[in-house]
Amino acid sequence: DAKTTQPTSMDCAEGRAANLPCNHSTISGNEYVYWYRQIHSQGPQYIIHGLKNNETNEMASLIITEDRKSSTLILPHATLRDTAVYYCIVRVPVTGGNQFYFGTGTSLTVIP
Amino acid sequence: DVKVTQSSRYLVKRTGEKVFLECVQDMDHENMFWYRQDPGLGLRLIYFSYDVKMKEKGDIPEGYSVSREKKERFSLILESASTNQTSMYLCASSLSRDRGRFPSGNTIYFGEGSWLTVV
Repeated sequence: DAKTTQPTSMDCAEGRAANLPCNHSTISGNEYVYWYRQIHSQGPQYIIHGLKNNETNEMASLIITEDRKSSTLILPHATLRDTAVYYCIVRVPVTGGNQFYFGTGTSLTVIP
Repeated sequence: DVKVTQSSRYLVKRTGEKVFLECVQDMDHENMFWYRQDPGLGLRLIYFSYDVKMKEKGDIPEGYSVSREKKERFSLILESASTNQTSMYLCASSLSRDRGRFPSGNTIYFGEGSWLTVV
């Protein structure tokens, strides 16, 4: 069973905030939420991650609900270069390290 | 900066050929991963390795094997390539546990991908 579910695609007007939702209803207390994005023909790149508190960095903000069953990635002022596939990921501790479970991603198109 | 390098960006192989995809990381990461990516299916884990000579099956290991003889290198092997293995393959690495740089959790770093076509 998928650990994360995301909408298949979204559009956003240039200059507006892009809000990308993710459901992770089976997440456990020690499992982090990560967001990556992938521009065509490149490897995925890290955006942000969090456990239970909201997080912000120079790229985005991550809002995690109090019950941790869902989260939202916010790109505050979307630009055309933000057009990409955005993956919501759950990081699960396992013996020897961590596993990263990817959803199928949301294809975000920023429209001029 | 962490660098994950995949040896081949684009390959075309014939059905039945043995294929090696090589991956090297330069940050002394214990964990390494091989994923394949197909339209509509996202990234699916093939194999991962916790450390040298250690490997674990992921979600779709059938038709693949791996080798981790050195910490920095993780190889994906297709013993007898088939057309349904045409895909983009992504290698990744990460720390096995939190360290000072990422006190709240470590992250995973990806290579640029290898596009394999089996004809």
